[in-house]
Amino acid sequence: DGGITQSPKYLFRKEGQNVTLSCEQNLNHDAMYWYRQDPGQGLRLIYYSQIVNDFQKGDIAEGYSVSREKKESFPLTVTSAQKNPTAFYLCASSIRVPFSGSTYNEQFFGPGTRLTVL
Amino acid sequence: QKEVEQNSGPLSVPEGAIASLNCTYSDRGSQSFFWYRQYSGKSPELIMSIYSNGDKEDGRFTAQLNKASQYVSLLIRDSQPSDSATYLCAVNGPNNNAGNMLTFGGGTRLMVKP
Repeated sequence: DGGITQSPKYLFRKEGQNVTLSCEQNLNHDAMYWYRQDPGQGLRLIYYSQIVNDFQKGDIAEGYSVSREKKESFPLTVTSAQKNPTAFYLCASSIRVPFSGSTYNEQFFGPGTRLTVL
Repeated sequence: QKEVEQNSGPLSVPEGAIASLNCTYSDRGSQSFFWYRQYSGKSPELIMSIYSNGDKEDGRFTAQLNKASQYVSLLIRDSQPSDSATYLCAVNGPNNNAGNMLTFGGGTRLMVKP
């Protein structure tokens, strides 16, 4: 059963704690991404990784950290430095799709983790 | 700064009607365009991708792209109450050395009334 899994589905954090969100995919996708979604808003990119052992900051990386030690896994740590971490966190991976002589990336999302700071 | 703009809605249509959702983008060099459907409390689901000017049809969905006018639209024919969701437009720029990142619009909430 292929897909992208995220755990936990719900996570509660006390102020000052670091928490780690899991993202795993068995689709053999090279690239993986982390987004944050706040109520009524679009998605904002936190970090992305195109290959193992390499990752880049997105638009809102402050207060977050990631690792990419395996192709299948891209965990996100929300550190105590993130001042407003309550949000819906979405992991995605992408495949390259050929079209008319070029290739394009199509991203697919996991089910998400809803993080609440108590 | 790349921008993708959508009317937040809600867009309300009667069951069986055509729902038309629009999206404009600022980066003239954008190359690929996507529509995602997101039900309340769930993650986005890719429903359409379009890479060249014109129309692309998939079942009840038609994506339309006009690069000269920098807009992309999604038409949903024979709308059903199950189509009620937020629709996110996403755009990818050209030669994006930064990992082929997508820029998302804020989404349009669609409500289909029985």
